Amino acid sequence: SQELEQSPQSLIVQEGKNLTINCTSSKTLYGLYWYKQKYGEGLIFLMMLQKGGEEKSHEKITAKLDEKKQQSSLHITASQPSHAGIYLCGAHRGSGGSNYKLTFGKGTLLTVNP
Amino acid sequence: DADVTQTPRNRITKTGKRIMLECSQTKGHDRMYWYRQDPGLGLRLIYYSFDVKDINKGEISDGYSVSRQAQAKFSLSLESAIPNQTALYFCATSRPIGSYNEQFFGPGTRLTVL
Repeated sequence: SQELEQSPQSLIVQEGKNLTINCTSSKTLYGLYWYKQKYGEGLIFLMMLQKGGEEKSHEKITAKLDEKKQQSSLHITASQPSHAGIYLCGAHRGSGGSNYKLTFGKGTLLTVNP
Repeated sequence: DADVTQTPRNRITKTGKRIMLECSQTKGHDRMYWYRQDPGLGLRLIYYSFDVKDINKGEISDGYSVSRQAQAKFSLSLESAIPNQTALYFCATSRPIGSYNEQFFGPGTRLTVL
């Protein structure tokens, strides 16, 4: 099965600092999803990447998928306390009919200190 | 109103008890999923359903059963709860469009088995 490794496991930053979270797979990622979870709550969809080299941004969050489609990064610019939470990456097992299942990384816990 | 709702939100029960967690959705999606989340283990798929007549086991289905009563309802049962089933449980729905399969998550049910 496709396993996703996220790094770091946890991260503490000062408000205003930039940060990057990585998601790496040993296999090709057919669809890479980034979710954010506030403690004890559901997952909120952030972005989905499919193509090698693709980059998407939403407000101060930018996600990229490398050309080989085996690594994705999530970059937050000028972090704010509202960015705090658990960030999870999830990916399809395959393409087409195999896209029913998302395999998730273990998550990165982000703390932003005011 | 939330598109994916879960009841109860919190439940404390004793070993050996039968528990049912319920999920309802107003998104009109055919696919529904049950996951559990444990610290350090990420999200793991328990069961998934492509439609009312299609139920499939996920990674960790032992000790669980499900019922898809209607397109909008998907229930998870623990026939005889045990302490290692203490976890945060999430229901999710999706409607794949091509290779795009964003999953929409409910707020979660925190289950404690004593």
